[in-house]
Amino acid sequence: DIQMTQSPSSVSASVGDRVIITCRASQGISSWLAWYQQKPGKAPKLLIYAASSLQSGVPSRFSGSGSGTDFTLTISSLQPEDFASYYCQQANSFPLTFGGGTKVEIK
Amino acid sequence: QLQLQESGPGLVKPSETLSLTCTVYGASVSTITYYWGWIRQPPGKGLEWIGSMSYSGSTHDNPSLTSRVTLSIDTSKNQFSLRLSSVTAADTAVYYCARRVATTLGNWFDPWGQGTLVTVSS
Repeated sequence: DIQMTQSPSSVSASVGDRVIITCRASQGISSWLAWYQQKPGKAPKLLIYAASSLQSGVPSRFSGSGSGTDFTLTISSLQPEDFASYYCQQANSFPLTFGGGTKVEIK
Repeated sequence: QLQLQESGPGLVKPSETLSLTCTVYGASVSTITYYWGWIRQPPGKGLEWIGSMSYSGSTHDNPSLTSRVTLSIDTSKNQFSLRLSSVTAADTAVYYCARRVATTLGNWFDPWGQGTLVTVSS
């Protein structure tokens, strides 16, 4: 199985801050990576697919980059509605696996 | 607009079988290019993919659960289902159904159902 490791596990930030979350795969997955946002008590929501493609309707302050084993999710200017948990998912091979999550908290 | 909704018992006894159904609105489960899947999340923990299948019969599931998982599709009701046998407390989780998008760029989940909490307890 491909292991996905996210860092940090949590981050405290203020509105307007730039936030970067990283995800590392245990083996190369090309650009086959997705990012999800999950708010408390809600289902995850797809933000980014194919490492850098923004899902329709997702604000442009979200961006993804990377290939191979190292990926990043960047929120360019944190908004109040962005305080949530974020998960990466490798989309390369079965079993599909998720990172452990990053919780973005209010500073 | 595609929407999914899970349903099923919220409490299951140890050693019994967990059964959940996902009703699909806004699309047909028999669309060959669509895949339908399940993901779970233990309370306070991360996400675990359980498995997915398409109407064409293509099925993938997590090897850690394969021996206990049965996936099926009911086209008459536009639903797909999950059965997980011999459950233990470790199977307590919020269970989500989702469409798995499968392209040459990879596999991801969109949209997701709202989720349903299943507790395994006597």
